[in-house]
Formats: sequence, C-alpha cells, structure tokens
Amino acid sequence: GAVVSQHPSRVICKSGTSVKIECRSLDFQATTMFWYRQFPKQSLMLMATSNEGSKATYEQGVEKDKFLINHASLTLSTLTVTSAHPEDSSFYICSASGRGLGYNEQFFGPGTRLTVL
Amino acid sequence: QQQVKQSPQSLIVQKGGIPIINCAYENTAFDYFPWYQQFPGKGPALLIAIRPDVSEKKEGRFTISFNKSAKQFSLHIMDSQPGDSATYFCAASESQAGTALIFGKGTTLSVSS
Repeated sequence: GAVVSQHPSRVICKSGTSVKIECRSLDFQATTMFWYRQFPKQSLMLMATSNEGSKATYEQGVEKDKFLINHASLTLSTLTVTSAHPEDSSFYICSASGRGLGYNEQFFGPGTRLTVL
Repeated sequence: QQQVKQSPQSLIVQKGGIPIINCAYENTAFDYFPWYQQFPGKGPALLIAIRPDVSEKKEGRFTISFNKSAKQFSLHIMDSQPGDSATYFCAASESQAGTALIFGKGTTLSVSS
C-alpha cells in the first residue's frame, strides 16, 4: 500500500504553546488529506478534511481557529494545535487519498501522541 | 443514516480459530467498505476492502463477506494467530475519491496461544 508519514511521533508541550504536526504522502500525490483524533480504546473521530490548495472543511464541534490545517502541496498537510491545553492531549492521525489509488482508498500515518502539561 | 454499527466490541479466540466481526450500515449511497487493523500506538492499516458488485473477497487469511440486501458486511480471519491480536475497524463511504470514511466503533481481538 501507499505510505504516509507523520512527524513528530510524539510531542510534549506546556499549556499555552502551539504545536505543529506534519503529514506527508511519500509515494503518491495526496489530493485529499484527513485529520483524526483518537482517544484511548475509542474509534477515530474525523476532525477535518482538506483538499490541496483549498481551505479545510471542519466537522461540527471542531474549532477551526484552534486546529489550523494547511494543505499547501500534494504531499504535505499540517495540523497546528494553537494555545494547547491539557484537554487537547490525544492521539492525532492523518490519512490521505489521491491520484493512482483505487476507489476511495485511504492510507493512514503512524500517528502523533500529543501530551500537554 | 451515517452510522456504521460494528459488533462485537471485543472478541477472544484460540489460535487457529476463525474470528468473525460484523458491520451494518444504513446509507444506501455507500459503495466502498474497507477494513483497517490497528495495533496500540500505531495508525490504522488498510487490510482489505470490497465494493457491492461482489459478495466475497479474499486476501490471504482475511475474507470480507458482503450482503447488499441486508446492508451488512463482515470480516473473517482464517487460522488466526497471536499476531492478529489488534483492534479492527470497519468503515464505509461513497467510492468517490476524497470522501470521508465513516468508521465503526472497533473490535478488539485477542488471539490466545
């Protein structure tokens, strides 16, 4: 399958700081990227969908000013958690679909564990 | 109408057994049904997927059965191994590229040796 990377794999930050998470498609052009949040022993919660060169579409209840998403190229999307607080601590995962993949195949990154102190 | 209902929540089988995980959907516009496997602390990995034009698909030890009239699909794992112990998620979407997947709540599988 196609490969998606995420960086960093884990980050610990102080309350009030901003954290940027990168999601890259390594061997295909990702026309659409998705950002999810996952709490322990729970399913994936879609936060937003981003198409290359367009503004992200956020799911209901997700603060777009807090979770800034940029999808400036066909291989890179970033999620910035602004003014992070302990309740933002979670596992953030991106996925990507795009050119050369079958139907609506989506491949996930390895995830980023965010801990806000 | 957007939900995908997955059962059971957890499953324990012995090595060599055939665990079966079931999913049901309501939205008749869905026509792409993937299964993902997730190990703790890792991102989900695409295992196998099916579209409604076939009733069954096999890839290695993994088989999807699909019942379009009942709007149900299931994952069977043949000759299960301890290494298959993971959380499995079913999902559904329309097949147009770039459409968000709707996930089930997941099934935690434990395969005992």
